[in-house]
Amino acid sequence: GQQLNQSPQSMFIQEGEDVSMNCTSSSIFNTWLWYKQDPGEGPVLLIALYKAGELTSNGRLTAQFGITRKDSFLNISASIPSDVGIYFCAGQINAGNNRKLIWGLGTSLAVNP
Amino acid sequence: GAVVSQHPSWVICKSGTSVKIECRSLDFQATTMFWYRQFPKQSLMLMATSNEGSKATYEQGVEKDKFLINHASLTLSTLTVTSAHPEDSSFYICSARGGGEQFFGPGTRLTVL
Repeated sequence: GQQLNQSPQSMFIQEGEDVSMNCTSSSIFNTWLWYKQDPGEGPVLLIALYKAGELTSNGRLTAQFGITRKDSFLNISASIPSDVGIYFCAGQINAGNNRKLIWGLGTSLAVNP
Repeated sequence: GAVVSQHPSWVICKSGTSVKIECRSLDFQATTMFWYRQFPKQSLMLMATSNEGSKATYEQGVEKDKFLINHASLTLSTLTVTSAHPEDSSFYICSARGGGEQFFGPGTRLTVL
């Protein structure tokens, strides 16, 4: 099925550093979502973006919905060890009851204390 | 956020047996539920979408006779893996949507011996 281009695939950083990851698509989306998944758990929603150009923060996390509606980025500032996990972007076209999420391949983040 | 539970959290079964996984929305009514499977170090792959009271819509390549989905109420959906084989071993995650965002369950680890 269709998937989004998410990069980087993995990151290994020092505690306190800032992190940036992004997703791009050849298709336009109405909604961009960023999730975090811990090992053996389901994804947890971090930030939802509903409008082109929207910039939204959730604590140390900031995400933006690209103007072209084909991309989004997620920044994490001052990383801490509990930021470790896999981050997924997902795009959604808001049409009908069966609107689906299209997923990125994930960015695996490791933080060295 | 809304809570989605899954049961069991893990299951080990013999090849040829059937396994049922339950997904419940605990504090909201889910008009639509989704079932995903996830292989190690990969993204979520949508298997099927179900609306309460109607037949599930399966993604291309997913065998509907092997992965039986029942969405009998607004708070419960079940996935039955029939005649399970080792290649069915995976992490199965359900998701529920009441009207806006999707919320994910914690996942079920299925191991078929």
